[in-house]
Amino acid sequence: EVQLVESGGGLVQPGGSLRLSCAASGFTFNSYWMSWVRQAPGKGLEWVANIHPEGTETYYVDPVKGRFTISRDNAKNSLYLQMNGLRAEDTAVYFCARKQLAGGWFDPWGQGTLVTVSS
Amino acid sequence: EIVMTQSPATLSVSPGERATLSCRASQSVSSNLAWYQQKPGQAPRLLIYGASTRATGIPARFSGSGSGTEFTLTISSLQSEDFALYYCQQYKNWPPMYTFGQGTKLEIK
Repeated sequence: EVQLVESGGGLVQPGGSLRLSCAASGFTFNSYWMSWVRQAPGKGLEWVANIHPEGTETYYVDPVKGRFTISRDNAKNSLYLQMNGLRAEDTAVYFCARKQLAGGWFDPWGQGTLVTVSS
Repeated sequence: EIVMTQSPATLSVSPGERATLSCRASQSVSSNLAWYQQKPGQAPRLLIYGASTRATGIPARFSGSGSGTEFTLTISSLQSEDFALYYCQQYKNWPPMYTFGQGTKLEIK
């Protein structure tokens, strides 16, 4: 069974840092682009970042550029999101998702981990 | 950035009836369009990709259509489990930077 399990969320003060992890299983992790998508409370979905199967290319949505870093460890079948300089507007559930080989749709998604930025 | 606009924001339909949800792109995305269903407290679930191809395990009452800038998700005969939030997503392939619509809430009338 293909599975994605996020961890690492929590409460952090504005300006602080947090590292999210996503453990993948049930598929050949190093063959797929992987992504982070977030959802602020009561709001819609926002794509955050993508990473190439080998980690050689990354892309980010403008509001997180220069603050967030997506990375992966293919030996550990794991995806990461290092979040620095956190702001209140980064408060959201963060989902890890697998981008399909044939196109840019996401399937499956993890269950999400909540990040709350507040003093 | 490609902006995706969904309408209506909320759609009230009775069980057994047809629901039609719309999604418009600010520029052509060809057929690079996916639809997702999300229920409270759950992750999104892929319904449709390539504008009209149902994902594995998705019932035939879900269908997608459109290309370019105008897209439609139709649910032919609503079941109780279909009342949820629905999002469209564009994925023009390069660069791989994607955007979602703001969502349509499908509620029981």
